[in-house]
This record gives sequence, C-alpha cells and structure tokens, in this order.
Amino acid sequence: AQSVTQPDIHITVSEGASLELRCNYSYGATPYLFWYVQSPGQGLQLLLKYFSGDTLVQGIKGFEAEFKRSQSSFNLRKPSVHWSDAAEYFCAVRSADGLTFGKGTHLIIQP
Amino acid sequence: KAGVTQTPRYLIKTRGQQVTLSCSPISGHRSVSWYQQTPGQGLQFLFEYFSETQRNKGNFPGRFSGRQFSNSRSEMNVSTLELGDSALYLCASSFVTGQRAYGYTFGSGTRLTVV
Repeated sequence: AQSVTQPDIHITVSEGASLELRCNYSYGATPYLFWYVQSPGQGLQLLLKYFSGDTLVQGIKGFEAEFKRSQSSFNLRKPSVHWSDAAEYFCAVRSADGLTFGKGTHLIIQP
Repeated sequence: KAGVTQTPRYLIKTRGQQVTLSCSPISGHRSVSWYQQTPGQGLQFLFEYFSETQRNKGNFPGRFSGRQFSNSRSEMNVSTLELGDSALYLCASSFVTGQRAYGYTFGSGTRLTVV
C-alpha cells in the first residue's frame, strides 16, 4: 500500500534562513507527487507537483522540490523564508485511492 | 476562473442528525474527490467521483456517502452523525486525461462540528 512519511512534525526556522522539508513516499509505480500548504482554518493550496520530466520542480512562492527516485524522496526547499511562510505543509502521492497524504510539517518562523 | 466552492463553510449539528455538504468544481473539471481532515487522523480520502460515477472509496463506514450531478457538482452526506465526525471536509476538483485525474485543486473546506 502507498504511504507518505514526513519525519519532522515541527520545524523552526529564522526569517531569511533556508528551509528544507523532508518527504519520503512508498508507491509501487511511477509516483505523481505534490506539496500543499495550509494556513489555519483554510483549504490546501498547491505549491508544486511532479509527474515526470525534470526532477527539480519549481513552484509558487519561491518553493522548489527535488524528486529522487533512488531515495524515494521529494523534499521541499526554499532559499529564504518569510514570516508569511508559517503554515502546515503536506506532501502527497496520487494512488488508485485518490491522494495519500503525510501527517504534515508545522513550520514556525522566528523573527 | 473561479476556484472550487464548498458550502457551507461552517456547520454545527447534533449527534444522530444527518448533514449534506456541497462542492462545485472548477469549470471543466469532471472529477471531484472528498477528504476528511482531523487532528488525530490527518487527511484521509473519502471518495472520488467522475462523470456521476463513484470511482473509488476510502475506508469509511457506509454512513458516509456522496453523489455527483451532471454539471459535475458533488454532494457528500453523513447520516447518524457521531462526535468523531467533527472535522474539516475538503473537496478537490481535478481534470481527467486518459482515465487519470490531474490537478487536485482544493476548496476552503466545510468545518463540521458535531455536539
């Protein structure tokens, strides 16, 4: 069965510092991977997605992610975080049963 | 173009009642899927509809049901509400190519509280 693991429940980063959120997936076929962001009480906003092609994917708000098949990973990165990036981040893989999500990483930005 | 619209945004119901939630997808998107989000279980897949047919269903009891209309709008229904059904219910709209759904744009959700 498919699964997504986000090892970090909480991450604290200083404003202006770089960010990397980890995501590992388990899926038998070629994965279709997503990163979403959620602000409190809101829906999910798509940051970026990977289906095929270039393994480095650019998204909105300055985010990028790199697909590494050998490591079954799809880590999200941003070179310099802003206070407005504080939110919950979810990694997901598409399967026959819709999207399977990780438990999320709560990002805290220190001034 | 307009995004995914979910109504109502907030709902308070009593145990034992039933509730119907609505989702209008992005124009041209024919696939709608539903997810339940709770602090304990996270985001869980409920079901997916395409062209008025349920294609997949998650591991939820039969009290959870849904349907899709010819204009692609979808409703989900929960009967005999339990306290544990309190959650944020999210709807996702997708376009379909070659029988596979792509895109997955989410609405703002319906916050259901069961008292």
